[in-house]
Amino acid sequence: NAGVTQTPKFQVLKTGQSMTLQCAQDMNHNSMYWYRQDPGMGLRLIYYSASEGTTDKGEVPNGYNVSRLNKREFSLRLESAAPSQTSVYFCGSSYSNQPQHFGDGTRLSIL
Amino acid sequence: GENVEQHPSTLSVQEGDSAVIKCTYSDSASNYFPWYKQELGKRPQLIIDIRSNVGEKKDQRIAVTLNKTAKHFSLHITETQPEDSAVYFCAARGYNFNKFYFGSGTKLNVKP
Repeated sequence: NAGVTQTPKFQVLKTGQSMTLQCAQDMNHNSMYWYRQDPGMGLRLIYYSASEGTTDKGEVPNGYNVSRLNKREFSLRLESAAPSQTSVYFCGSSYSNQPQHFGDGTRLSIL
Repeated sequence: GENVEQHPSTLSVQEGDSAVIKCTYSDSASNYFPWYKQELGKRPQLIIDIRSNVGEKKDQRIAVTLNKTAKHFSLHITETQPEDSAVYFCAARGYNFNKFYFGSGTKLNVKP
């Protein structure tokens, strides 16, 4: 039982490049989330998906897009990466009235 | 929407002492309050949670209390150990029962 799996674990991009962060969960959770965590800071919600086929903006959605590919997978795309998007990205998932579980994070640096 | 405030931002205690971290929330409809521990370079992990129909919950050295009237909840760690050193986050599940709202975190340092 892997829980929440994020790929890649590390990535370095140049300004203007695009990339997609992948997240998959095997716990049959209906809700999935993308957060960013800047050094010494808390978790800020980028986008979330309450169920398959729906997505909603969080606190800091600008510069990002998401796709809920199916119940298991929720991807985050940076279309044109900027240095301000350098951060650690965490994917989370939860079911109904249960706690949220997190992946190990993707450490993204944009030069 | 919901607003969760967490205090203090840093907390330093001597090994064996108790530590208390406090959070307040704004939306009276919030009904679920988890606490997460995040060690350096790792993911946040759930350590304890409480629902709005319960006032207190305990798990070994960790306890959480909830005051719905005042809209605040607290994490209590007794007999602290160096391995308790980490960043702790409180959270509240918002009115739509899908979004979690996180506090800004408390960095706990337990000195041996």
